[in-house]
Amino acid sequence: GAGVSQSPSNKVTEKGKDVELRCDPISGHTALYWYRQSLGQGLEFLIYFQGNSAPDKSGLPSDRFSAERTGGSVSTLTIQRTQQEDSAVYLCASSQGLAGGSEQYFGPGTRLTVT
Amino acid sequence: GENVEQHPSTLSVQEGDSAVIKCTYSDSASNYFPWYKQELGKGPQLIIDIRSNVGEKKDQRIAVTLNKTAKHFSLHITETQPEDSAVYFCAVRTGGFKTIFGAGTRLFVKA
Repeated sequence: GAGVSQSPSNKVTEKGKDVELRCDPISGHTALYWYRQSLGQGLEFLIYFQGNSAPDKSGLPSDRFSAERTGGSVSTLTIQRTQQEDSAVYLCASSQGLAGGSEQYFGPGTRLTVT
Repeated sequence: GENVEQHPSTLSVQEGDSAVIKCTYSDSASNYFPWYKQELGKGPQLIIDIRSNVGEKKDQRIAVTLNKTAKHFSLHITETQPEDSAVYFCAVRTGGFKTIFGAGTRLFVKA
């Protein structure tokens, strides 16, 4: 079946502009996660959703970052007034639930470049 | 909070040799330890995982060992092949939603 998809695959934007990154999780997966991966680095956890709810937003780097999920499916990560340090690959993952052993399936990521 | 350290950052082996990557963690309540492989331009893919009630798990050429007392776990790849070349990440989960990743190990397998 279809895996996690993300769009766009690449995004180049000017400093100060807003961007929206989209994630389509695997159908039926209730949990959805956003991570950020800077060049050559590990994954930085940003936020997770259980259904449409995001109980913990403390991983978001600043108040310029926000995320929402509608219908328990598609999620959008929005970065306002982008800065050069926002340049990274943004990865989305989904899982069947939040249980400790619930495997996360990752999308291919969106490479964001802020010029 | 949880802290995960991964070593080495780069590993180069000859085809057919074994590769070992080690991770340590800080939170003794952590109970799920997955390993991911990330190829260029792709998202990470789970290759093997282990839970805290198990000391070792093997899947063909890949094995993971866990020492809960010492709070470290390792990935072992035997009979390495060029297609094993990738970045490998360990991760730790503490019974909830949050997964903390190590910084990654770039593995090169030379033919």
